[in-house]
Amino acid sequence: DAGVIQSPRHEVTEMGQEVTLRCKPISGHNSLFWYRQTMMRGLELLIYFNNNVPIDDSGMPEDRFSAKMPNASFSTLKIQPSEPRDSAVYFCASSPRATNEKLFFGSGTQLSVL
Amino acid sequence: SQQGEEDPQALSIQEGENATMNCSYKTSINNLQWYRQNSGRGLVHLILIRSNEREKHSGRLRVTLDTSKKSSSLLITASRAADTASYFCATDVGADSWGKLQFGAGTQVVVTP
Repeated sequence: DAGVIQSPRHEVTEMGQEVTLRCKPISGHNSLFWYRQTMMRGLELLIYFNNNVPIDDSGMPEDRFSAKMPNASFSTLKIQPSEPRDSAVYFCASSPRATNEKLFFGSGTQLSVL
Repeated sequence: SQQGEEDPQALSIQEGENATMNCSYKTSINNLQWYRQNSGRGLVHLILIRSNEREKHSGRLRVTLDTSKKSSSLLITASRAADTASYFCATDVGADSWGKLQFGAGTQVVVTP
């Protein structure tokens, strides 16, 4: 299995632009998580899905952030409009069951908002 | 605030030495996990210990859990240069926390040949 696949690997954009991050979870995994990592705040859980349904989005920082999971093999995290403080590494992770056990992480998207 | 706090923040050792790092947490847990992150990469799951377990081994890794002190330790024995990475503890914080793994700030380990 190729693991969790995220794209793009790097994204540089200007303030005010829309940014879309993509994630393909491991086939057969039914839980998907979006995390953000910064030096100041560490790893923060933004939102997670179970069977394509958003379970908890309380970690999403504000309305500029939205996430979707239209099917079991694809999820997006969108920031519109982007701001410099959104600069971070965004990770997608998946898990085979609806538990808190063993997350499989993608390699992340390094986002820089200028 | 973060649920798990690792100590030390950074650790530098030589190949062959053991590396020990600690994690403290604040609320009751169902399980505690350790992950490794190599520079520029995603996190990789190392080991999970449940709240009713006190010690667990996996290869050169040994994890202990003391729920009375709300702390855990990760020991890497006979370290190798390839063990250079950041190590994070993550806690599942209870019945209403489904999916909410909370990560500590991490311990950066450097193993020199």
